[in-house]
Amino acid sequence: GIQVEQSPPDLILQEGANSTLRCNFSDSVNNLQWFHQNPWGQLINLFYIPSGTKQNGRLSATTVATERYSLLYISSSQTTDSGVYFCAVDETSGSRLTFGEGTQLTVNP
Amino acid sequence: DADVTQTPRNRITKTGKRIMLECSQTKGHDRMYWYRQDPGLGLRLIYYSFDVKDINKGEISDGYSVSRQAQAKFSLSLESAIPNQTALYFCATSDLRGRLSGELFFGEGSRLTVL
Repeated sequence: GIQVEQSPPDLILQEGANSTLRCNFSDSVNNLQWFHQNPWGQLINLFYIPSGTKQNGRLSATTVATERYSLLYISSSQTTDSGVYFCAVDETSGSRLTFGEGTQLTVNP
Repeated sequence: DADVTQTPRNRITKTGKRIMLECSQTKGHDRMYWYRQDPGLGLRLIYYSFDVKDINKGEISDGYSVSRQAQAKFSLSLESAIPNQTALYFCATSDLRGRLSGELFFGEGSRLTVL
């Protein structure tokens, strides 16, 4: 099956800093999503982005499907951004997502 | 109220007991999924259903069964729970139609501990 690798595994920032999270995948995909899992375990949809670029406030994402990677940008980080960020992909147009192991982000005040 | 509701949210049980986790959704989506998350890891797919008459195994279906009672309800059963099934379980939904086609939406999770 498709492999998903996320980097870095852990990231510690000071409030206000910017960061880039990366997701590499081993095969062509028709579905790619980024999620944030907050400290209470809740999974929050950030982006549905099988290709192209999207922005939502301080967060943006870019997927370069031909090169099999996606990037999540967090600008002016806040303590509430802390948690685990997951990239998940599906080779089909469905939603049987394969997840990476996540990036644990800690934003210190 | 949440669009995807899971019950119970927390459950502690003993080895060998039968456990059912229930999921209901008000999003009107056709597709429903059960995922499992182990500490420090990503989610893995257990079972999925594309409509009421369709059930499919995911990556880690052994030891689990499911029932799609209606379009809005999808339950996960552990017939004889064992300690390594201790995990956080998530139900999710998606739809192939409309503006949010293909996007996966999760419930709040059910934390299961098997002693």
